[in-house]
Amino acid sequence: GAVVSQHPSRVICKSGTSVKIECRSLDFQATTMFWYRQFPKQSLMLMATSNEGSKATYEQGVEKDKFLINHASLTLSTLTVTSAHPEDSSFYICSARDQYMDTMNTEAFFGQGTRLTVV
Amino acid sequence: AQSVTQPDIHITVSEGASLELRCNYSYGATPYLFWYVQSPGQGLQLLLKYFSGDTLVQGIKGFEAEFKRSQSSFNLRKPSVHWSDAAEYFCAVVRNSGGSNYKLTFGKGTLLTVNP
Repeated sequence: GAVVSQHPSRVICKSGTSVKIECRSLDFQATTMFWYRQFPKQSLMLMATSNEGSKATYEQGVEKDKFLINHASLTLSTLTVTSAHPEDSSFYICSARDQYMDTMNTEAFFGQGTRLTVV
Repeated sequence: AQSVTQPDIHITVSEGASLELRCNYSYGATPYLFWYVQSPGQGLQLLLKYFSGDTLVQGIKGFEAEFKRSQSSFNLRKPSVHWSDAAEYFCAVVRNSGGSNYKLTFGKGTLLTVNP
């Protein structure tokens, strides 16, 4: 299957700093990427939908100024957690769909996730 | 609104035993259903999916799932569990947000423990 690479896999940062997480589709082009947040022993909660060349669409309750999303190319989306605080510590996962197979039943491919710890 | 319910939070089975993980969905139209598996600290891997046709779907790693419209269910099964199957399993349904911008709605997951 297609590969989505997420980097870094783990990051520890100080409170008040910003952290950038990258999501790359390695062997396909993705006009749409999705960012999820997963708390321990919980399900994945969609944070935002990242659209190449346009503004991201955020889910209700997600602060767009805190979680900055940039989708500058068909293979790269980034999530920046700005002014991180300990409550932002979580597991962040991205996914992407192949733009040339963009039908309702096309699967989304997931990155391996990023464990963010804010101290 | 579309939703997915996984009634079992945690299931423990012995290696070699059969497995069934339950998933119920709520969706007005024909659902597009998926089962994903997540190993600790990892992303999600697709096991199988259903969108039309044969209601018994075969997936990877020996898993299968059966779509039952009358019961609004899409239960995941495996006849003989291996220790490496221990992981978190998520059922998901596509939420059509219009156009080609679909979104996955996940159940809360079922943690599978396999005893030797």
